[in-house]
Amino acid sequence: NAGVTQTPKFQVLKTGQSMTLQCAQDMNHNSMYWYRQDPGMGLRLIYYSASEGTTDKGEVPNGYNVSRLNKREFSLRLESAAPSQTSVYFCASKGGSGGAYEQYFGPGTRLTVT
Amino acid sequence: GDSVTQMEGPVTLSEEAFLTINCTYTATGYPSLFWYVQYPGEGLQLLLKATKADDKGSNKGFEATYRKETTSFHLEKGSVQVSDSAVYFCALGNPYTGANSKLTFGKGITLSVRP
Repeated sequence: NAGVTQTPKFQVLKTGQSMTLQCAQDMNHNSMYWYRQDPGMGLRLIYYSASEGTTDKGEVPNGYNVSRLNKREFSLRLESAAPSQTSVYFCASKGGSGGAYEQYFGPGTRLTVT
Repeated sequence: GDSVTQMEGPVTLSEEAFLTINCTYTATGYPSLFWYVQYPGEGLQLLLKATKADDKGSNKGFEATYRKETTSFHLEKGSVQVSDSAVYFCALGNPYTGANSKLTFGKGITLSVRP
């Protein structure tokens, strides 16, 4: 069991470039999430998907798009990267539909936009 | 809306010292409460959780008790080790949002333990 995997681990982009962050989980979880982590800000939810075929905005969705490709995969796309999107991005998944279920996190993608 | 407040950091302790990290919350109904830990260069991993009032979560020598009367879930450890140096996040999961349930995180606190 690999759990939650993310690619790439590191990325440097120039302003205006686009890229897609990949996330996959092998735990047969229904719900998946994308967060960003910035110093002093904790984790902020970008987008989430409660089940295959559905996606919803979180706290900070501007400048991002997501695709729930299938039950395993949930990708995050930056169409035109900006320096404000320099951050560490984490993908997570959750097995149950209630608030008592914990989330499982991937190792993160460290993105720098110059 | 739901919110989680953690004490300000960072915290620096000597090995074998007693640790308390405060966490309070605001939520409707009866949320579940979590502590996550993030070691340097890694993702978050669940440390412990409690799903109802007066429950005590425990793991790796850490404990936290769900106190509904004070809306708190403080993390404690009797004797910290250098290997406990990490960032600790308190989080809340609200059962009333069903399939769209999300975790609400505190800002995290960095713990450094010196030998």
